Amino acid sequence: DADVTQTPRNRITKTGKRIMLECSQTKGHDRMYWYRQDPGLGLQLIYYSFDVKDINKGEISDGYSVSRQAQAKFSLSLESAIPNQTALYFCATSGGFADTQYFGPGTRLTVL
Amino acid sequence: GQQLNQSPQSMFIQEGEDVSMNCTSSSIFNTWLWYKQDPGEGPVLLIALYKAGELTSNGRLTAQFGITRKDSFLNISASIPSDVGIYFCAGQPATSGTYKYIFGTGTRLKVLA
Repeated sequence: DADVTQTPRNRITKTGKRIMLECSQTKGHDRMYWYRQDPGLGLQLIYYSFDVKDINKGEISDGYSVSRQAQAKFSLSLESAIPNQTALYFCATSGGFADTQYFGPGTRLTVL
Repeated sequence: GQQLNQSPQSMFIQEGEDVSMNCTSSSIFNTWLWYKQDPGEGPVLLIALYKAGELTSNGRLTAQFGITRKDSFLNISASIPSDVGIYFCAGQPATSGTYKYIFGTGTRLKVLA
C-alpha cells in the first residue's frame, strides 16, 4: 500500500465552486506539505504544516486554505476555484532527522 | 517562487549512453534530494544527500553533494528506455531555518532506443 495517498486523483470543476483535495499518510511523519505543479515548471509550495497545531503559508497560498485534521491527514481547499488554478497538486510528508520528503501520486485538477 | 537552476532543461540520448544533469544555487544547502517523475505521477525519491562532498549511488544512478554546498549533480550510466521521465533536484537551504525545500525546474530525459 502507498505511504502517501491523495483523493481524488482527477477532478474537473467549474469556476466558483469550492473543492477539497485530501491527503493521508501512513509514514507517521509530523510534517506535511501541499505543492502545485504547472507544465514545464517545478513544484511550488502552497502550504505546509509541521504538526497538527502548526500551519504555515507557502509561496503561493492566495486562493487556497488547508486543514490538518490529524497527524496523518492534511487537506487543501479551493474556496472559489478559478481557471488558473488548473494544475497538478501534490501532497508530501517528511519526518525524522533526515527529513526526506515523500510525495503522493498527485491530483490533476481542471477548473473550467 | 524561488527555484534552483537545473540544467539541462531537456535531453535526448541514445540507449546505453551516460547522462549527467546538475543543479546550482547561490545559497548554501543542507540537503539535496533527487527525484524522478513519470507522466501523471508523483515524484519518486531516487537519492538523498546530507553532507558536503557526499557521493551516493543507487543502481545505475550516482549523485554528489557539491563541496561548496551550492550544487549537486546526478549521473545515470548506461541509460535504458525506462529512464525516460522528468528528473528534479530539491534543496533545503541552510538559512531557511525550517524544513522547506526548493525545487529545480526539472530535466526532461528522452531515451532513444
